Amino acid sequence: GQNIDQPTEMTATEGAIVQINCTYQTSGFNGLFWYQQHAGEAPTFLSYNVLDGLEEKGRFSSFLSRSKGYSYLLLKELQMKDSASYLCAVSGGSYIPTFGRGTSLIVHP
Amino acid sequence: DVKVTQSSRYLVKRTGEKVFLECVQDMDHENMFWYRQDPGLGLRLIYFSYDVKMKEKGDIPEGYSVSREKKERFSLILESASTNQTSMYLCASSSGTGLNSNQPQHFGDGTRLSIL
Repeated sequence: GQNIDQPTEMTATEGAIVQINCTYQTSGFNGLFWYQQHAGEAPTFLSYNVLDGLEEKGRFSSFLSRSKGYSYLLLKELQMKDSASYLCAVSGGSYIPTFGRGTSLIVHP
Repeated sequence: DVKVTQSSRYLVKRTGEKVFLECVQDMDHENMFWYRQDPGLGLRLIYFSYDVKMKEKGDIPEGYSVSREKKERFSLILESASTNQTSMYLCASSSGTGLNSNQPQHFGDGTRLSIL
């Protein structure tokens, strides 16, 4: 089985930096995805990590440590439009992604 | 851009009805998925398909079936709708030969289904 854990909700201030953590326990590992989902909309792909280290894409970065079963999504220079749910999904031995319950991020002025 | 289209944004049905949710993708993706999304539970996989006429059970297949007669279309069927199937249903597709590709999933906008 697979177990993926992320905080339920986080709040942050516009312009700040926020780190959303994801820990996982899986049978096998073939990569970790982060998706963003605005209320009432479809999830959209943000990042993919399969090797240890940091992947940077503009204001968003994602980090992976396979030995610790740990990832984080780092959002810099927060904007109001970053208020959304952030979903961590782990591809295990079967290659079928399993999703965490999502972290609802609220950005306030 | 990949387009995944779900036939309805909102749907209201009655207990015991047979319900069809349709999903079409326009990028020739091999893999298609059906999820339901409930508050506090996240996305849970119902069924997936990695090829035409192929289907595999996900984590919560009970009460559902699927059909994939054409590569671009993946249908979810609620055989006899029950109130506990009231939920948001999301369809997704991904590319790659079979499932061993680890390509990101592209999601439709979802169907909010209410069973009365």
